[in-house]
Amino acid sequence: RKEVEQDPGPFNVPEGATVAFNCTYSNSASQSFFWYRQDCRKEPKLLMSVYSSGNEDGRFTAQLNRASQYISLLIRDSKLSDSATYLCVVTLGDSWGKFQFGAGTQVVVTP
Amino acid sequence: ETGVTQSPTHLIKTRGQQVTLRCSSQSGHNTVSWYQQALGQGPQFIFQYYREEENGRGNFPPRFSGLQFPNYSSELNVNALELDDSALYLCASSLGGKNIQYFGAGTRLSVL
Repeated sequence: RKEVEQDPGPFNVPEGATVAFNCTYSNSASQSFFWYRQDCRKEPKLLMSVYSSGNEDGRFTAQLNRASQYISLLIRDSKLSDSATYLCVVTLGDSWGKFQFGAGTQVVVTP
Repeated sequence: ETGVTQSPTHLIKTRGQQVTLRCSSQSGHNTVSWYQQALGQGPQFIFQYYREEENGRGNFPPRFSGLQFPNYSSELNVNALELDDSALYLCASSLGGKNIQYFGAGTRLSVL
């Protein structure tokens, strides 16, 4: 079983619609959680950190469910520029921050 | 821009050769992590350097080695290249190992 699992998609979303997807992680000792965005053949860029209480950044909302060991990302009012692969990242609570990436969820926003 | 720079951007090598990839970390960051990203996959952790010492290693063979210099820049060396080493190699810098990592644009390595 992979340590971090994501639905690869693609999620085809009409412009202006809402899309949501999850990421599950296997290690209950995981402590830090992030969503990164990666455009085709580019480097991952931090989208947002994920906090236990859930957090919002503009049109993006992230949630963490420790009991079920998953995090989610919701994108409201999708823009064409939101088309990308969204990478879920989990780190353990040990002394160093090894990032464990999921394989990514592809989102395609269509006009 | 993250302030993390990698060189070269592209590289073509043949099987059995050796390669060195370079990374300059963001100003003030003392930690560099290296990742390998195969096509269609998420980045896989290779190793991390903190203040010139290896600070953790992923599931990669010893022919993958690295260095970090006093200015916190870093190198990734791969010996005896194999076809499966073809991938995008990403470095990321952070302040301390546990903090948010900022990625460079990567080096795309093709092994023929």
